[in-house]
Amino acid sequence: ETGVTQTPRHLVMGMTNKKSLKCEQHLGHNAMYWYKQSAKKPLELMFVYNFKEQTENNSVPSRFSPECPNSSHLFLHLHTLQPEDSALYLCASSSMVGSGELFFGEGSRLTVL
Amino acid sequence: KNEVEQSPQNLTAQEGEFITINCSYSVGISALHWLQQHPGGGIVSLFMLSSGKKKHGRLIATINIQEKHSSLHITASHPRDSAVYICAVREGGNQFYFGTGTSLTVIP
Repeated sequence: ETGVTQTPRHLVMGMTNKKSLKCEQHLGHNAMYWYKQSAKKPLELMFVYNFKEQTENNSVPSRFSPECPNSSHLFLHLHTLQPEDSALYLCASSSMVGSGELFFGEGSRLTVL
Repeated sequence: KNEVEQSPQNLTAQEGEFITINCSYSVGISALHWLQQHPGGGIVSLFMLSSGKKKHGRLIATINIQEKHSSLHITASHPRDSAVYICAVREGGNQFYFGTGTSLTVIP
């Protein structure tokens, strides 16, 4: 149990589908993140939310749309994705303090056909 | 060039061997993290350190702030240690930089 839960763990979708990834943390953290992990590449930051406010949008295409209704929940809405968007999407959370530890979810493996 | 460089990229060891994974970074940091990722995908934090050395079981992590370098050591390696080990640094605030990972395979 990592304290950060992601659903679904696996998702296969067509390019015209709309789907959402969900992340939930009960660690009392105020910062939540979406990362993309592709083969042989470092984790790529997509979005950061602090106290439900988006503070980072790392030039992510608009077909990815984040939502943070409260400090415990984070969503990534997916629409008209491309096959190159297939990757592992990881949610993480941390405290706001400068040296706070980073906790990750198990990831959502996305395949776009 | 990535802000965090790890070596080696791949490592195969016999069970029982002493293993070292290296991490160099180029930015000022508030903390360095060693992470472990198993084939299932989830990432677990092994260590967070900002100075000196930490030990947990057979794992030891060291950091040299002046040289911007950290090492992760595994003593008496075991097949269950097989995983990808990722070095990450926190620059400050919510900015983290990640290495590409070291894929470790420990053979029985």
